Amino acid sequence: GDSVTQMEGPVTLSEEAFLTINCTYTATGYPSLFWYVQYPGEGLQLLLKATKADDKGSNKGFEATYRKETTSFHLEKGSVQVSDSAVYFCALSDRGGSARQLTFGSGTQLTVLP
Amino acid sequence: NAGVTQTPKFRILKIGQSMTLQCAQDMNHNYMYWYRQDPGMGLKLIYYSVGAGITDKGEVPNGYNVSRSTTEDFPLRLELAAPSQTSVYFCASSALGPEQFFGPGTRLTVL
Repeated sequence: GDSVTQMEGPVTLSEEAFLTINCTYTATGYPSLFWYVQYPGEGLQLLLKATKADDKGSNKGFEATYRKETTSFHLEKGSVQVSDSAVYFCALSDRGGSARQLTFGSGTQLTVLP
Repeated sequence: NAGVTQTPKFRILKIGQSMTLQCAQDMNHNYMYWYRQDPGMGLKLIYYSVGAGITDKGEVPNGYNVSRSTTEDFPLRLELAAPSQTSVYFCASSALGPEQFFGPGTRLTVL
């Protein structure tokens, strides 16, 4: 079945540091890939997405490129802020599924210190 | 638009009690989902629905039931609550595309 493996956390960075959170996936078809963010006490919000190989998703300074050859979708940001502190989830949606089901990674807790 | 709303926000149950978690969406989405999130884990799919009157099991359906009588509402029923059902429950919805929109969650504790 489909699976998503994320870099284990927690990750602690100083403000303005560079961020990378690794994500690799296993899927039988050609999935769409997502990064969701969960701020404390809130539900998940879509951060960015990519629907086909070599697509780059970007939002709020975050980027991730869909790499089919390495089955990866690593999240990057050049300069993190305290407000980026949250849990980040990598997820995939296999287009073969009839209900658009999402398979999630276990999440990576990011803390940014001032 | 309110998006996806969930009630209650918090609940404490005793072992063996029952309750219904409410979920509603005002985006006219056909697809709706229930997930549970355990500490340090990703979300696991409990049940989903592709439209009014149609529901199906996800990865972890045992101990839960759902119904979908309208497009807007997708309640999750817990019968005979057990400590293993202590979790945060998220409802989500989606339209034709794969992107899902999540509610704020219900934190349930079973003692």
